[in-house]
Amino acid sequence: NAGVTQTPKFQVLKTGQSMTLQCAQDMNHEYMSWYRQDPGMGLRLIHYSVGAGITDQGEVPNGYNVSRSTTEDFPLRLLSAAPSQTSVYFCASSYGPRRPYGYTFGSGTRLTVV
Amino acid sequence: AQSVTQLGSHVSVSEGALVLLRCNYSSSVPPYLFWYVQYPNQGLQLLLKYTSAATLVKGINGFEAEFKKSETSFHLTKPSAHMSDAAEYFCAVSDDRNTGTASKLTFGTGTRLQVTL
Repeated sequence: NAGVTQTPKFQVLKTGQSMTLQCAQDMNHEYMSWYRQDPGMGLRLIHYSVGAGITDQGEVPNGYNVSRSTTEDFPLRLLSAAPSQTSVYFCASSYGPRRPYGYTFGSGTRLTVV
Repeated sequence: AQSVTQLGSHVSVSEGALVLLRCNYSSSVPPYLFWYVQYPNQGLQLLLKYTSAATLVKGINGFEAEFKKSETSFHLTKPSAHMSDAAEYFCAVSDDRNTGTASKLTFGTGTRLQVTL
C-alpha cells in the first residue's frame, strides 16, 4: 500500500498565484484532513471531510478550498497565494467513527510564497 | 472545544535516561488521545493511542503513555532513551468520542526531544 500520497513535495509560488495540492489515499479511509504546520504552532486543521461529497472547515480555512468527489482524493486549492500561506502542508486520512485508529499522514508539501 | 497543552517545547535527556514528555488535555467529553512523532523532513507517525478503558497504553519503539482522567493528563514515557528517539513529539486529542465520530484532531505545539551522549 502506498498510504497517503501528497504531490508536489516542494513548491514556490508568487503572491496571487493559485495552485492545487494533491492528496490521495489507497486505504479506503472515510476521513481525510488537511493541516498546516508552522514553527511553534503545531499542526492546525484547515479543512476536513468525513466522506465523499462532505467537507467542513477547520481552524484556519480562509484562503483555501477543498472538494471530495471520490473517497480516495482530497485536493487543497489555494485561491490567491499570500506570503502568510508559506508553510508545510500535511494531508491525513483515517477510518471512520467505528475504528478510531488515528490518522495516517502524508510526507508533506513544503510551500513557499514569495 | 478540546485543546492540548504540551509543557516544554524542548526536552534534553542523556542516552539511557528516562524520557518524560508532558501532555494535558481539555475536553468536554471523554476524549481519544494520541501521540505522534515527527522525524526531520518527514510526516507524522502514530506512536500510540488511547481509545478505551485501558489507561496504560503501549506504543511502538518502547514508548508508553498513561491516561489519568483526574489529572487530565496523557504523558509519554520511555524508560531508556536512545539516540534514534531524537525527534519532535506531538500530543493530539480528537472530538466527539461520545458520538463516535472522532473526525478531527487538535494538536499540541510539540516537544522537541534531544538525546545526548
